[in-house]
Amino acid sequence: LAKTTQPISMDSYEGQEVNITCSHNNIATNDYITWYQQFPSQGPRFIIQGYKTKVTNEVASLFIPADRKSSTLSLPRVSLSDTAVYYCLVGDMRHYGQNFVFGPGTRLSVLP
Amino acid sequence: DADVTQTPRNRITKTGKRIMLECSQTKGHDRMYWYRQDPGLGLQLIYYSFDVKDINKGEISDGYSVSRQAQAKFSLSLESAIPNQTALYFCATRQGSYGYTFGSGTRLTVV
Repeated sequence: LAKTTQPISMDSYEGQEVNITCSHNNIATNDYITWYQQFPSQGPRFIIQGYKTKVTNEVASLFIPADRKSSTLSLPRVSLSDTAVYYCLVGDMRHYGQNFVFGPGTRLSVLP
Repeated sequence: DADVTQTPRNRITKTGKRIMLECSQTKGHDRMYWYRQDPGLGLQLIYYSFDVKDINKGEISDGYSVSRQAQAKFSLSLESAIPNQTALYFCATRQGSYGYTFGSGTRLTVV
């Protein structure tokens, strides 16, 4: 599995756009980048996945440059309810031999 | 009903007691997992199962055991609970390209 590095914590204010970058220098050809969100005292939940370029859904956007060695999760106009821990996972979710590591993630605090 | 249901949601137990945490799922997924989370940290894998006959240890299996009673049920037992097993425990299933579906967690306190 590709090793990932992301900031431990970030602060933002309501209404701002938040960008969380994940570094994954040794990403493999078949690897996807998947982000999960965890609210306090809840299990992580899937928010977005991508392979290259840009992916957008109703929750977030994911930007992946051509070399795929990093990715950026973008949360538009955050609210207090976006306060959570965000995990970046890199690998092929279809490959069940891989057990993904949910490291410390990035703790996002949205302030009023 | 939730896709992955964990019981109990909260439990306080005494040191030395045996305790079982239960997990059931309605997603029909083959793969099930137990994770532990300590405050401010990520999730550590305790055990995982690819089907009823397949049980595998994770990174922190000491002091824990599991039982996969059916495709939909995966239980975690603490044989003799100790205070440093106080944590939030999550069950998860996994299938397909999007990955994991987690339960709501069991908050366990060992006194």
